Amino acid sequence: DAGVTQSPTHLIKTRGQQVTLRCSPKSGHDTVSWYQQALGQGPQFIFQYYEEEERQRGNFPDRFSGHQFPNYSSELNVNALLLGDSALYLCASSLPGQTTYEQYFGPGTRLTVT
Amino acid sequence: DQQVKQNSPSLSVQEGRISILNCDYTNSMFDYFLWYKKYPAEGPTFLISISSIKDKNEDGRFTVFLNKSAKHLSLHIVPSQPGDSAVYFCAAGVTGGGNKLTFGTGTQLKVEL
Repeated sequence: DAGVTQSPTHLIKTRGQQVTLRCSPKSGHDTVSWYQQALGQGPQFIFQYYEEEERQRGNFPDRFSGHQFPNYSSELNVNALLLGDSALYLCASSLPGQTTYEQYFGPGTRLTVT
Repeated sequence: DQQVKQNSPSLSVQEGRISILNCDYTNSMFDYFLWYKKYPAEGPTFLISISSIKDKNEDGRFTVFLNKSAKHLSLHIVPSQPGDSAVYFCAAGVTGGGNKLTFGTGTQLKVEL
């Protein structure tokens, strides 16, 4: 049973560029959340997708957007990259109906903006 | 505004002894709490959770204690093993608030031989 997978593993972009990160949830999971983890910090909630819609959003600007596909996989898009967007981006999936507390995390995508 | 705080950035414990990791929160709306463990180059791995209707939850070597009046929780690991060396994150959520988790900044645990 594959866990949460993310691609790519690492990415280097230049300021002002756009980036797309991808996530496949754990088998049987339909809810995907994205988190940003800056160096020395805990993960910060960006947004959550369920039934192909954004259901909740954290305190992130509109430059951060996402999408969920019918197979429950998800993308995170960041436009007009800033140096401060350099971080580890984590995807987490959870069980149907949002009745459990646990979220299962992928290994993350390390984004470096130069 | 840091709603979940882990005030100890690091902790060193001898193998076989007890490790106690602490977490404080300020938002009284939080009604469930989780601990995650993270190794370098891996995503956080779920360890144990507790609902606000309980004050203790055990799972093998791991026990989480919740003191709602003090807005404080702790994770006890007994006995500590070298493989427990990792960063431990405390997280909190609100039932009915979706699956949004608010994380602390983490505590680096080192278990020495």
